Amino acid sequence: DIQMTQSPSTLSASVGDRVTITCRASQSISAWLAWYQLKPGKAPKLLISKASTLEGGVPSRFSGSGSGTDFTLTISSLQPDDFATYYCQHYNNYPLTFGGGTKVEIK
Amino acid sequence: QVQLVESGGGVVQPGRSLRLSCAGSGFTFSTYGMHWVRQVPGTGLEWVAVILYDGSEKYYADSVKGRFTISRDNSKNTLFLQMNSLRVEDTAIYYCAKDRGFCSGGTCYVRNWFDSWGQGTLVTVSS
Repeated sequence: DIQMTQSPSTLSASVGDRVTITCRASQSISAWLAWYQLKPGKAPKLLISKASTLEGGVPSRFSGSGSGTDFTLTISSLQPDDFATYYCQHYNNYPLTFGGGTKVEIK
Repeated sequence: QVQLVESGGGVVQPGRSLRLSCAGSGFTFSTYGMHWVRQVPGTGLEWVAVILYDGSEKYYADSVKGRFTISRDNSKNTLFLQMNSLRVEDTAIYYCAKDRGFCSGGTCYVRNWFDSWGQGTLVTVSS
């Protein structure tokens, strides 16, 4: 199984900050990576697929990059609505696996 | 717009069974693969199972293989998860999720990422 390792697990930041979350795969997954945003009591939301393709309706302050084993999710200017937990997920093969999550908290 | 509504969660004793349902609307349910994903409270996400658009293929996480069965009724736009021999460690919020698949040449394919999710249903396994 492919292991996905996210860092950091928690991140404290202020509105307007640039935020970067990293995700590392235990083996190459090409660009078969998605990012999701989770908020308590709400349906999870797809942000990015194929490592860098922004989902329709997702603000352009979100961006993704990387290929092979190392990936990043960047929020260029953190907004109040962005305080949430973020997960990466590979879809190279079964079983599909997620990173451990990164909780973005208010500093 | 796409709507997915899970139901069937609750409190159940270890070793017992439970059946979850997920009603889909706002899209052509019969042309998309569907997944179950779970989240143990306070921890991360775990993919559980996938079923192809026509039910012809199913894949499971090792942690549930042989105990859980994913199925669908395209005439009712409904996805199911039959959970048998439940364990304490199956306690989680269970989400159904729509695959960002596509159809070509009369066959529909999965891409194995999730473009719409339900709000989840809580399953608690406890004696």
